[in-house]
Amino acid sequence: QKEVEQNSGPLSVPEGAIASLNCTYSDRVSQSFFWYRQYSGKSPELIMSIYSNGDKEDGRFTAQLNKASQYVSLLIRDSQPSDSATYLCAVTYAGGTSYGKLTFGQGTILTVHP
Amino acid sequence: DGGITQSPKYLFRKEGQNVTLSCEQNLNHDAMYWYRQDPGQGLRLIYYSQIVNDFQKGDIAEGYSVSREKKESFPLTVTSAQKNPTAFYLCASTLSRRGELFFGEGSRLTVL
Repeated sequence: QKEVEQNSGPLSVPEGAIASLNCTYSDRVSQSFFWYRQYSGKSPELIMSIYSNGDKEDGRFTAQLNKASQYVSLLIRDSQPSDSATYLCAVTYAGGTSYGKLTFGQGTILTVHP
Repeated sequence: DGGITQSPKYLFRKEGQNVTLSCEQNLNHDAMYWYRQDPGQGLRLIYYSQIVNDFQKGDIAEGYSVSREKKESFPLTVTSAQKNPTAFYLCASTLSRRGELFFGEGSRLTVL
């Protein structure tokens, strides 16, 4: 059984700080990694994807992937109250017959307080 | 605007009834998926379809059925055999084999 583990939190950071969200996965063959943001009562929204080792930056978001350690993280710089949400880590195979079959972690609740 | 439309947004069902949740997309995506989310939990895959007239069971398919007669449509039926159907149901689709999923707004089903 492929597993994706996240700290459920809640993680509370002050406005302007860096929020660090972590995720580990069990399947060494996993190749595609995603971070989704989900506001309460809403559907998940894709905010970052990463496919190779290293860092990927998009605005205030940075995703970091370390396949050797089976670890992916999301950093949110200059956190804003509007970043308060649940962040879901998701992992899948790339290509083959399994594409799109994401395995999700349980999510980390982030609260950014003014 | 392109997107994924789910209906209804809220649905109440009596025990023993089957209900069908609609999912339509105009993104020209080949693959479509149904996920279930329970409070405080991640998403779990129910069924998926990567091509018209073909679909596969996900991790929790028991008590559910689907059809894929058109590329744009992937309805989910929650049958009376599903023991705990109260949940938030999410339909998604993707064009890319890298797997980026885009979700509809969801349907919240409550069994009375």
